[in-house]
Amino acid sequence: AQSVTQLDSQVPVFEEAPVELRCNYSSSVSVYLFWYVQYPNQGLQLLLKYLSGSTLVKGINGFEAEFNKSQTSFHLRKPSVHISDTAEYFCAVSYTGGFKTIFGAGTRLFVKA
Amino acid sequence: EAQVTQNPRYLITVTGKKLTVTCSQNMNHEYMSWYRQDPGLGLRQIYYSMNVEVTDKGDVPEGYKVSRKEKRNFPLILESPSPNQTSLYFCASSPLTSGGASSYNEQFFGPGTRLTVL
Repeated sequence: AQSVTQLDSQVPVFEEAPVELRCNYSSSVSVYLFWYVQYPNQGLQLLLKYLSGSTLVKGINGFEAEFNKSQTSFHLRKPSVHISDTAEYFCAVSYTGGFKTIFGAGTRLFVKA
Repeated sequence: EAQVTQNPRYLITVTGKKLTVTCSQNMNHEYMSWYRQDPGLGLRQIYYSMNVEVTDKGDVPEGYKVSRKEKRNFPLILESPSPNQTSLYFCASSPLTSGGASSYNEQFFGPGTRLTVL
């Protein structure tokens, strides 16, 4: 069965420090990869997505992610976080020609002053 | 403003009392979907719809019904709610490609409906 694993349920970090949120997926076929962010009491919104081409994808709010096909990973990074980045982050995968998106369990990012 | 709306935002009900959560989008999207979000489990898909009168089961469809009579609306129906359906529910929509797939398109999410079944 297809799955998405977010390796950290919670990540505390100090303001202005770098952060990496890890995501691995299980697949032997072509995939599309997404990171969504959920701020408190809100719905999800897209941070970035990988469809094809360059393996380094840049998104909104200074986030970027790198697709690694051999390791089936799609880790999210930001070089310097802000208090306002405190949120829950979801990695998601969908499959070519399909209609389903599978989400990971989420990673709560806490940015401390 | 392009958006997905859900109503109600909060609902407390009792076991067995039928309820409907409405979802509406104003972006003319063909694809709509319902998810439930539970701690430690992320989002799990309940049902999805590729267009009017076309729906299919997601990963956790038991205890839920949906209908798609109009393109903009995709209500979620719980005929006989039970406490294990206490959850945070999200509706989402996205466009379909000319080839009929939706898998590489961004999904637009509603604000969520927090349901408690006593």
